[in-house]
Amino acid sequence: SAVISQKPSRDICQRGTSLTIQCQVDSQVTMMFWYRQQPGQSLTLIATANQGSEATYESGFVIDKFPISRPNLTFSTLTVSNMSPEDSSIYLCSVDFVNTGELFFGEGSRLTVL
Amino acid sequence: ELKVEQNPLFLSMQEGKNYTIYCNYSTTSDRLYWYRQDPGKSLESLFVLLSNGAVKQEGRLMASLDTKARLSTLHITAAVHDLSATYFCAASYGNKLVFGAGTILRVKS
Repeated sequence: SAVISQKPSRDICQRGTSLTIQCQVDSQVTMMFWYRQQPGQSLTLIATANQGSEATYESGFVIDKFPISRPNLTFSTLTVSNMSPEDSSIYLCSVDFVNTGELFFGEGSRLTVL
Repeated sequence: ELKVEQNPLFLSMQEGKNYTIYCNYSTTSDRLYWYRQDPGKSLESLFVLLSNGAVKQEGRLMASLDTKARLSTLHITAAVHDLSATYFCAASYGNKLVFGAGTILRVKS
């Protein structure tokens, strides 16, 4: 089965710094998405990562805070900028594999901001 | 705006018992997903329901969809400890998902 790899799996960061999370897929996908899961909460969609163009952000999320790149069909990055403790969450990459009709999730990147 | 309500939020079950988790969504949706999440882990896809009356079963879990009522159910039959996890339903619009709050399931021996 296809593999979705996220790096880093976890990190502890200082307030005011930025961290980039990578998502690599080993087969073709139609869509790539980034979700956030705050502690003890459900998942919220941050944005759709569009290949070769700017990401499409959901209400409450902005490019300056969460810049996203998707240079090709199988790779995307999410940066969490100028972090604060409120950004402590699990960030998950989700993909829609071609012709599966399902959305699968990466292992997640657990971020703790001190 | 699509909203998804899931209940109960917490479910403590005895082994061997049956129970149902309910998932209501507010507007028309293309698909209804059920996921399982173990502590500290990512989401595991359980079911994707595409059409009215769809029913899917895997082991002790059975999911169904009533698009007219905008309701999906996840039925647990003869619960075992290994089913302890958090279960999420999610409704889609396009390829985007709106998640319910999740149901924390604890199966007691």
